[in-house]
Amino acid sequence: TQLLEQSPQFLSIQEGENLTVYCNSSSVFSSLQWYRQEPGEGPVLLVTVVTGGEVKKLKRLTFQFGDARKDSSLHITAAQPGDTGLYLCAGALKGKLIFGQGTTLQVKP
Amino acid sequence: DTAVSQTPKYLVTQMGNDKSIKCEQNLGHDTMYWYKQDSKKFLKIMFSYNNKELIINETVPNRFSPKSPDKAHLNLHINSLELGDSAVYFCASSQFQVVPRQVNSPLHFGNGTRLTVT
Repeated sequence: TQLLEQSPQFLSIQEGENLTVYCNSSSVFSSLQWYRQEPGEGPVLLVTVVTGGEVKKLKRLTFQFGDARKDSSLHITAAQPGDTGLYLCAGALKGKLIFGQGTTLQVKP
Repeated sequence: DTAVSQTPKYLVTQMGNDKSIKCEQNLGHDTMYWYKQDSKKFLKIMFSYNNKELIINETVPNRFSPKSPDKAHLNLHINSLELGDSAVYFCASSQFQVVPRQVNSPLHFGNGTRLTVT
C-alpha cells in the first residue's frame, strides 16, 4: 500500500493544454515536496508546501496543499514540451522522505 | 561543480558478482541517502546516514552494505548480486536529517546508477 498515491500515473497531452496531477494520502504531513525527474537524471525539487491551504506558483505551475495537509495538487497551465518528465510528490514521515509512485507527463508539440 | 556525483553511471554484471557504487557530495550536507528506483519509477529509501552514522536501514537485505568514510561520501557495496537487484540506484544528500517541519532540507539527488544484473 502506497502512503502517497499519485494520479494519474500517465498523462499524454498536446502542447497548450492544461493539466492537474494529484497526490493523496490518508496520513497528515507537515509538509509535502514536489520533484521533477527527467530521463537519465535524478529528481530535482520544484517546491515545498507547508501550510494547509497554501498555494505556491512557479511560472506556469501552481501547487496547492490541502487544508487537512493530506493531499496536494500540481496544476500546469499551457503545457509545453519542456514540461515532459516524471513528477513526484514526497512527504516526510518518521524521519524518512516517502515518495509517491510518480506521474509521467508527455507533452507533444 | 557537480553537487552530488555517483559512479559508475551504468553497471552491467552477472548474478553472484559483488559490485560497488560510489557517491560524493560537495554541498557540505550532513545527511546522505541511498534510494532504489524500480522499473515502475517508484523511489524507495534504502539507507540514510547523518554525519557518518547510520540512521535509517529500511529492511534491505544484508547483501547491501553502505559505508560512509566521511560525511561527504556514501558508498554502496552489493554482494552476491541477484536479478531482482536490477534497478536505478540514486544517492542523495540533504543539509539536515529529514524530520517533519524541516522544510529547508530538500534532497539533492545524483544522476543515478543503472544496475543491470544478467
